[in-house]
Amino acid sequence: DAGVIQSPRHEVTEMGQEVTLRCKPISGHDYLFWYRQTMMRGLELLIYFNNNVPIDDSGMPEDRFSAKMPNASFSTLKIQPSEPRDSAVYFCASRDDRGGEGHEAFFGQGTRLTVV
Amino acid sequence: AQKVTQAQTEISVVEKEDVTLDCVYETRDTTYYLFWYKQPPSGELVFLIRRNSFDEQNEISGRYSWNFQKSTSSFNFTITASQVVDSAVYFCALSEHGRGNQFYFGTGTSLTVIP
Repeated sequence: DAGVIQSPRHEVTEMGQEVTLRCKPISGHDYLFWYRQTMMRGLELLIYFNNNVPIDDSGMPEDRFSAKMPNASFSTLKIQPSEPRDSAVYFCASRDDRGGEGHEAFFGQGTRLTVV
Repeated sequence: AQKVTQAQTEISVVEKEDVTLDCVYETRDTTYYLFWYKQPPSGELVFLIRRNSFDEQNEISGRYSWNFQKSTSSFNFTITASQVVDSAVYFCALSEHGRGNQFYFGTGTSLTVIP
């Protein structure tokens, strides 16, 4: 398996523009997580899905952030409009926990977002 | 309240020294899972180990070992005979069975191994 695939790897955009980050989880995994990593705040969970259904989005910082998972093999995280403080590395992770055994999550390579 | 605390922000050791990274967690669940991840300078997050709350048996894997103690809510990670390639940020994480299975990460410990 190719692992969790995120695109783009790097994104530089101007303040006010819409940004869409994409994630393809590992096939068969039933959980998908979106994290944001910054020096100041570390790894923050933004939202996670179980079987394509959003379970907890309490970590989404503002209404400017939205996430979707239209099917089991694709998710997007959208920021509209983007602001310089959104600059961070965004990670997507997936997990196979159909057996409820607390398995590990596997992370993508991350998308480094810079908003200027 | 922090569910996972990694009190050591940065550690530097000289190559071949042993080093222990501390992790203290907080949970009311009786079923939970603990993890260690490594983030090398290249930035990816690499899974190292998983432990469930019913398995306190310590584990050794090559130069790595893990000490899980429920009595002190700790899940410490030791690298024996450290190498420069061990330089990375190490994250401890907790997943609670009764809390929707989300992951709670600590703030990470940055380890630098000096040649």
